Amino acid sequence: DAGVIQSPRHEVTEMGQEVTLRCKPISGHDYLFWYRQTMMRGLELLIYFNNNVPIDDSGMPEDRFSAKMPNASFSTLKIQPSEPRDSAVYFCASSFRTIAKNIQYFGAGTRLSVL
Amino acid sequence: QKEVEQNSGPLSVPEGAIASLNCTYSDRGSQSFFWYRQYSGKSPELIMSIYSNGDKEDGRFTAQLNKASQYVSLLIRDSQPSDSATYLCAVNIDNNDMRFGAGTRLTVKP
Repeated sequence: DAGVIQSPRHEVTEMGQEVTLRCKPISGHDYLFWYRQTMMRGLELLIYFNNNVPIDDSGMPEDRFSAKMPNASFSTLKIQPSEPRDSAVYFCASSFRTIAKNIQYFGAGTRLSVL
Repeated sequence: QKEVEQNSGPLSVPEGAIASLNCTYSDRGSQSFFWYRQYSGKSPELIMSIYSNGDKEDGRFTAQLNKASQYVSLLIRDSQPSDSATYLCAVNIDNNDMRFGAGTRLTVKP
């Protein structure tokens, strides 16, 4: 399996622009997670999906952030409008739930820089 | 109180020594515990999972869990320079959520 695939790997944009990050989970996994990692705050869970349905979005920082999962093999995280404080590495992870084992596999991440 | 706490380090050990990494968590109902390793500029990768009290060994790595004390640790025996990374403790808060510690930065000096 190719693992969790994220694109783009790097994104540089200007403040106010829309940013869309993409993720393809591991085939057969029924959970998908979006994380943000910064030096100051560490790894933070933003939102997760189960069978394409958003379950908990309490980690989404504000209304500028939105996430969708239109099918089992694709998810997007959108920031509109972007701000410099959104600069971070965004990770997508997927897992297959088996009696609470919940081992998550991470993609390579998208490094976002908002100027 | 943070849900998952780790010493941020940095922790420095000589090559061949035992590195000991510690983690405490706040939710007594937690059932699943994980250690991830993250090299600089890379994504976290799972190295150990543990679900019941006691020790679990995998090669040079040993995870230890004490649910009564809400404590989980990772021991790395015969530390190698290639073990230099940040180690993240992760805990299932409930069946649907996972929280990560801030990570402990480990440096193994040749």
